[in-house]
Amino acid sequence: QITLKESGPTLVKPTQTLTLTCTFSGFSLTTSGVGVGWIRQSPGKALEWLALFYWDDYKRYSASLQGRLTVTKDTSKNQVVLTMTNMDPVDTATYYCAHTPYNIGGQSRGFDYWGPGTLVTVSS
Amino acid sequence: QSVLTQPPSASGTPGQRVTISCSGSSSNIGSNYVYWYQQFPGTAPKLLIYRNNQRPSGVPDRFSGSKTGTSASLAISGLRSEDEADYYCAAWDDSLSGWVFGGGTKLTVL
Repeated sequence: QITLKESGPTLVKPTQTLTLTCTFSGFSLTTSGVGVGWIRQSPGKALEWLALFYWDDYKRYSASLQGRLTVTKDTSKNQVVLTMTNMDPVDTATYYCAHTPYNIGGQSRGFDYWGPGTLVTVSS
Repeated sequence: QSVLTQPPSASGTPGQRVTISCSGSSSNIGSNYVYWYQQFPGTAPKLLIYRNNQRPSGVPDRFSGSKTGTSASLAISGLRSEDEADYYCAAWDDSLSGWVFGGGTKLTVL
């Protein structure tokens, strides 16, 4: 059974760096064809993809936020960590991590398992 | 401004068939698969359709997806009150090298 859960601060100040951890179980990020993505949703707004960490350690970042985002993994702890620098009130959102499997042809089956999300508020 | 365009709202009565559209471009829907997510207030999204028209295990066959050119649609037949939710389309965008989502459609069951 695949589960994911996000953890981190609920409140950060403007200009600070946000660090969120996605702790997962039921799969390994070293297994070929597995990815973990980060998606956020500002209150009342649409989903916005942020980053993706692939099984082969390849990473992809949102073009609009690249430069502020870093994703890393801790295989021993089954965790993927998202770091976002220079936080601004517009970054207030619920942050989700999600599992995404890929077939041999590199085609995703979508984000099929999601964490419950964690609300991060940016305010002084 | 979302890369994929969805109508902000849709509605139908119980038993009806409703469709939700999603419009993109050649760099996303035109050249990649489309995915659909269902989201209830205060909860995480749930994958409803993957690779244009495939349903994950457990998703009722009342839900179906299709794609033509740079547009896609989600159809819900035999509408039920529990289908009232927000629906999002998504696709990989080759130009942006990332996932893009639609702005979401709020479905109301009258």
